[in-house]
Amino acid sequence: GDSVTQMEGPVTLSEEAFLTINCTYTATGYPSLFWYVQYPGEGLQLLLKATKADDKGSNKGFEATYRKETTSFHLEKGSVQVSDSAVYFCALNTRGYSTLTFGKGTMLLVSP
Amino acid sequence: GAVVSQHPSRVICKSGTSVKIECRSLDFQATTMFWYRQFPKQSLMLMATSNEGSKATYEQGVEKDKFLINHASLTLSTLTVTSAHPEDSSFYICSAHLLGGETQYFGPGTRLLVL
Repeated sequence: GDSVTQMEGPVTLSEEAFLTINCTYTATGYPSLFWYVQYPGEGLQLLLKATKADDKGSNKGFEATYRKETTSFHLEKGSVQVSDSAVYFCALNTRGYSTLTFGKGTMLLVSP
Repeated sequence: GAVVSQHPSRVICKSGTSVKIECRSLDFQATTMFWYRQFPKQSLMLMATSNEGSKATYEQGVEKDKFLINHASLTLSTLTVTSAHPEDSSFYICSAHLLGGETQYFGPGTRLLVL
């Protein structure tokens, strides 16, 4: 079945460091790919998405490129801030356009 | 952007009681809403898919008589945890699918603690 694999956390960085969170997937068909962010005690917020191969999703300085050849959708940011500390979930849609399959989430901790 | 609310945000109840959680899409119509459960430091587990005006579709292993879902309108879905027990304590999150779109919008979650 469809699945999403994320790197295990926590990822601990200093402010202004470069961030990469790896995400790979297996899926039948051509899924859309998503990154969601969850701040402490809150629900999930859509961070960015890409709907087809080679698309790049971007938002708030984060970006991820849909790589069909490597089945990956790695999240990157050039300079993280303390306020970026959160759990990041990679996801794909499956079984039709509305059902999401999530990775286990990667916690990011950014220190001043 | 699309906003989804949940109520209550936190609830504590005694074992054996029932708890109702509401999920509302505030500024859009959602023909489909989803209910997830999230255990500490784990991902979201899809419990059921709720379609307006029809019975919910439950994922394998989720007891439909335990977790009652009602999707009475295009902006409201409710999850009732019946005869709650301590093992039902969890973070419950709903999401709504924007009619005609692809993205799910998530509510802020409800933390349930059963004593």
